[in-house]
Amino acid sequence: DVKVTQSSRYLVKRTGEKVFLECVQDMDHENMFWYRQDPGLGLRLIYFSYDVKMKEKGDIPEGYSVSREKKERFSLILESASTNQTSMYLCASSHPAQGDSWWDTQYFGPGTRLTVL
Amino acid sequence: KNEVEQSPQNLTAQEGEFITINCSYSVGISALHWLQQHPGGGIVSLFMLSSGKKKHGRLIATINIQEKHSSLHITASHPRDSAVYICAAQCGTDSWGKLQFGAGTQVVVTP
Repeated sequence: DVKVTQSSRYLVKRTGEKVFLECVQDMDHENMFWYRQDPGLGLRLIYFSYDVKMKEKGDIPEGYSVSREKKERFSLILESASTNQTSMYLCASSHPAQGDSWWDTQYFGPGTRLTVL
Repeated sequence: KNEVEQSPQNLTAQEGEFITINCSYSVGISALHWLQQHPGGGIVSLFMLSSGKKKHGRLIATINIQEKHSSLHITASHPRDSAVYICAAQCGTDSWGKLQFGAGTQVVVTP
């Protein structure tokens, strides 16, 4: 079974703090993703990585950065947390498409519910 | 405007009823995903389809590429089916698999 784990299920931080969210996958997936999920807005892509040390901005990267030093680990960093970053954060991983298949399944972690006070 | 629209937003059904959730998209896609999210946040991939129909147990997913529309059906619904169901369109031919998500449909099945 593919397993994607996230470091915390619940996290409470104060405005201005630096926050690290960690994600680890055990299936040797090349692609890893960070999403945030807010009521009425669905899932939105923050950043993704298609290889070690490679990263690309998603739809809402402002206020976030990422780090991928090892293939299995993808970290999301909030340099200075703000109240509008209170959200559910979900990590996912996948293999890249193979051959003629242009699609692949993303496997999600359990999520981290972050509250910024 | 979201490029992936789901309906209804909320759905309540009695145990045993047939449930349908609809998903319409306005972008060109390479695949359409249906995901299930249980209370507490964990997301499970139910289906990934690019044409026709797929069935798994009591769940059936269909897609009409010409009409840019997909449906998820739950037959003989059960309270354990209560969850948020999310439709996601995999856009274009990018191999890294960017998804555009619908807002989700909250399904509650009562005994």
